Amino acid sequence: GDSVTQMEGPVTLSEEAFLTINCTYTATGYPSLFWYVQYPGEGLQLLLKATKADDKGSNKGFEATYRKETTSFHLEKGSVQVSDSAVYFCALTFRDDKIIFGKGTRLHILP
Amino acid sequence: SQTIHQWPATLVQPVGSPLSLECTVEGTSNPNLYWYRQAAGRGLQLLFYSVGIGQISSEVPQNLSASRPQDRQFILSSKKLLLSDSGFYLCAWAPSRMTTFKQYFGPGTRLTVT
Repeated sequence: GDSVTQMEGPVTLSEEAFLTINCTYTATGYPSLFWYVQYPGEGLQLLLKATKADDKGSNKGFEATYRKETTSFHLEKGSVQVSDSAVYFCALTFRDDKIIFGKGTRLHILP
Repeated sequence: SQTIHQWPATLVQPVGSPLSLECTVEGTSNPNLYWYRQAAGRGLQLLFYSVGIGQISSEVPQNLSASRPQDRQFILSSKKLLLSDSGFYLCAWAPSRMTTFKQYFGPGTRLTVT
């Protein structure tokens, strides 16, 4: 069946370090791909998305590129901040609205 | 280990009919509970959350309501469904809302209002 796989972490980095959170998916067809972020004490928020192969989603300095050949949607940021500490979820959806989440990656940024 | 259940998995209802979606969590006590909706072409939207029995917070005013009659039971309801209520509904739980935590999602319910 359709699924999303991502590292669970926790991932601990120093401020201004480069971030990569890997996400790979298994799907029949061509889903849209998302990254959601959950800050402490809050609900999920959409961070970025890509709807077709080679699309790049970007927001708040984060980027992810839809790679059909490797079925991946890795999240990257060039220089992380303490305020980026959160849980990050990779997800996919199809046109029928069903959304499938990865297990989430907890990120800690040290000052 | 903790598990979260949602039912039904799929539901087709006519406009104006009532709705009741149920979510239950096993293996934990006093969880924080959440209802989300994924609508066509849009991102996930938080509808309700609950930090305890009888305590419901609404994030978005709409045609829906939520109740928490028991510690590990969270119900999403509507008295009269609208076409715009169609979507994919996800229940989630978390150990606590006031600290860094991770939410765990149920399998979801696909609702089609006709």
